[in-house]
Amino acid sequence: DAGVIQSPRHEVTEMGQEVTLRCKPISGHDYLFWYRQTMMRGLELLIYFNNNVPIDDSGMPEDRFSAKMPNASFSTLKIQPSEPRDSAVYFCASSSLWGETQYFGPGTRLLVL
Amino acid sequence: DQQVKQNSPSLSVQEGRISILNCDYTNSMFDYFLWYKKYPAEGPTFLISISSIKDKNEDGRFTVFLNKSAKHLSLHIVPSQPGDSAVYFCAASERMDSSYKLIFGSGTRLLVRP
Repeated sequence: DAGVIQSPRHEVTEMGQEVTLRCKPISGHDYLFWYRQTMMRGLELLIYFNNNVPIDDSGMPEDRFSAKMPNASFSTLKIQPSEPRDSAVYFCASSSLWGETQYFGPGTRLLVL
Repeated sequence: DQQVKQNSPSLSVQEGRISILNCDYTNSMFDYFLWYKKYPAEGPTFLISISSIKDKNEDGRFTVFLNKSAKHLSLHIVPSQPGDSAVYFCAASERMDSSYKLIFGSGTRLLVRP
């Protein structure tokens, strides 16, 4: 099994630009999670999906952030416009059942200049 | 208002000795706890978990202890190996909550000295 795949692994962009992060969950997993890790706030949940439907987006910091899951094998997290304070590592994770162990991807390190 | 706290940012132990990583939580509704290990430039990987109906779970060199009355859990690694050097996160959730979330601690960096 390939595990959770994220792209790109690194992204450097300028303030105001649109950033799109991508995730491919483990095949057969019905739950997909987006996390952000920063020094100040640690690892925090942004949003999660069940069967491609967003269930809880209360962790999304503001309207500049949006996430979609058009099918069971692909999800995007978009930031538009990006700001320097969005610089962080963004992780995608998936799990097979509600409440079961989540498996994380390698993360996307984002730097907004 | 951190619900899950790891008060020790770092820990250094000698190879072969026991490593004990601690975690405290404030939400008495948490009923499922996990430990994740993270190497640099990689995502967290699941290590071990425990349900609130248990007070101990063991998997090889790793044992997690849960003290519900103290709202405290710990991860014991025996014997510690240099490859165990990583950042360890504890996480907690309310499995009966309709909005399933993992709440993570801030992590403890473990260094196992050869």
